[in-house]
Amino acid sequence: SQQGEEDPQALSIQEGENATMNCSYKTSINNLQWYRQNSGRGLVHLILIRSNEREKHSGRLRVTLDTSKKSSSLLITASRAADTASYFCAPYNAGNMLTFGGGTRLMVKP
Amino acid sequence: DTAVSQTPKYLVTQMGNDKSIKCEQNLGHDTMYWYKQDSKKFLKIMFSYNNKELIINETVPNRFSPKSPDKAHLNLHINSLELGDSAVYFCASSRRQGIGEQYFGPGTRLTVT
Repeated sequence: SQQGEEDPQALSIQEGENATMNCSYKTSINNLQWYRQNSGRGLVHLILIRSNEREKHSGRLRVTLDTSKKSSSLLITASRAADTASYFCAPYNAGNMLTFGGGTRLMVKP
Repeated sequence: DTAVSQTPKYLVTQMGNDKSIKCEQNLGHDTMYWYKQDSKKFLKIMFSYNNKELIINETVPNRFSPKSPDKAHLNLHINSLELGDSAVYFCASSRRQGIGEQYFGPGTRLTVT
């Protein structure tokens, strides 16, 4: 199985700035999902992008997918202190498993 | 109403003991999962059950035994606990195997002393 690898491992920004997190994976996928995990909590699904999509928006979130480079990015615009969390990408492949990396720990300073 | 619930939230026990973690989902989903998150936050799938049948069993010691009495429940029993079993265990569910998003429970922090 493959897992997504997030980059950077940690990111610290000021409130109001944009945060960009990247994800790379190794094999072909059906879709790629992004999740958020607040400290001490379970993961929460943010957005799913299919392999035939290049960009998707949801509120302040923008996800891109480049299947030729096997990479995805998550952009959070106008960040807020409440966005402080770990963010995980999860490539889904035909093996029917969702696999996670170690996440990007985002700190948004007020 | 909680969609995916786990009990207990915290579990502290000694090496060699046997313990169970319970999971219930009220979403009507067909598929349930157990994940282990280590201290470095890596989340690894352990088991997947679809309609009470085991679908995925990753490389997990046979001391770990999942049990699904019905579609809404997936419990995890661990025998002869070891220090390395200390982690946060998450239960999750999805509408069907490999379809769409997964809904996670709040996690069970297991500490083995």
